[in-house]
Amino acid sequence: GAVVSQHPSRVICKSGTSVKIECRSLDFQATTMFWYRQFPKQSLMLMATSNEGSKATYEQGVEKDKFLINHASLTLSTLTVTSAHPEDSSFYICSARSLGGLSYNEQFFGPGTRLTVL
Amino acid sequence: EDQVTQSPEALRLQEGESSSLNCSYTVSGLRGLFWYRQDPGKGPEFLFTLYSAGEEKEKERLKATLTKKESFLHITAPKPEDSATYLCAVQALNSGGYQKVTFGIGTKLQVIP
Repeated sequence: GAVVSQHPSRVICKSGTSVKIECRSLDFQATTMFWYRQFPKQSLMLMATSNEGSKATYEQGVEKDKFLINHASLTLSTLTVTSAHPEDSSFYICSARSLGGLSYNEQFFGPGTRLTVL
Repeated sequence: EDQVTQSPEALRLQEGESSSLNCSYTVSGLRGLFWYRQDPGKGPEFLFTLYSAGEEKEKERLKATLTKKESFLHITAPKPEDSATYLCAVQALNSGGYQKVTFGIGTKLQVIP
C-alpha cells in the first residue's frame, strides 16, 4: 500500500516551454501533497504544500507564478513549470500524506521526475 | 529555523560491519522524525517514523532510535543491497501554524562485499 506515482519520469524540453508533472496516490486518498526539488548532492527542498481543493502554500523564495500547482482531486496533484529555463533543471519529487490508518501523518514519495531544460 | 544535520556524509562499510548513522536536529515543536532510504535517481522510500524520545523501531537489519536532540539509524550486519543514501527528516509546527518537513542532506552508505 501507499504507492505514489509520477509522470513523466524524465523530460527534456527547450528553454521557454512549459512542462507539466503529474503526481498520483494510487491506493490511498491524500488530502495533502508536497512538491520537492532536489539538486545533486543536496537535500530535498520543499517547494510547496498542496491541499486538495485549495490554493497551494509556497515556501519562501519559490515563485508561485512560475511553478503552478493544481490539486484537483484526492489522488492527483500537478506541477507545471512555466517558461522553463536551464536553471530549473532538477529532480522534482512529490509526496502524499495519508491521514488515516497506520500510516497517519507519514509522507510517501513518488519516484521523481528528472527535468532537463536545454 | 529548523535544522537537520546528518553525519557522516558518506560511510563505507565491509559487509557484516555494523555501524550507526546520526541525525541531529534543532526544531521547536517536533511532530515526528522520519527516516528514508533513497537510491540514485529515485524518490525516497519510507523506513520509519519516531514521535517521542526513547522510541525505537526495527525493520530487518535497521533500527532507529530517538532522543530529544538526535536520532540514530543502526545498521546491523549490512549487506551490499543496503547501499543507498539514508535521509532523515523532521516535521515541526512552524510559525505559520502548519506542519513543515525539513530534510537533512543524507548519509551515503556503501557496503562492500
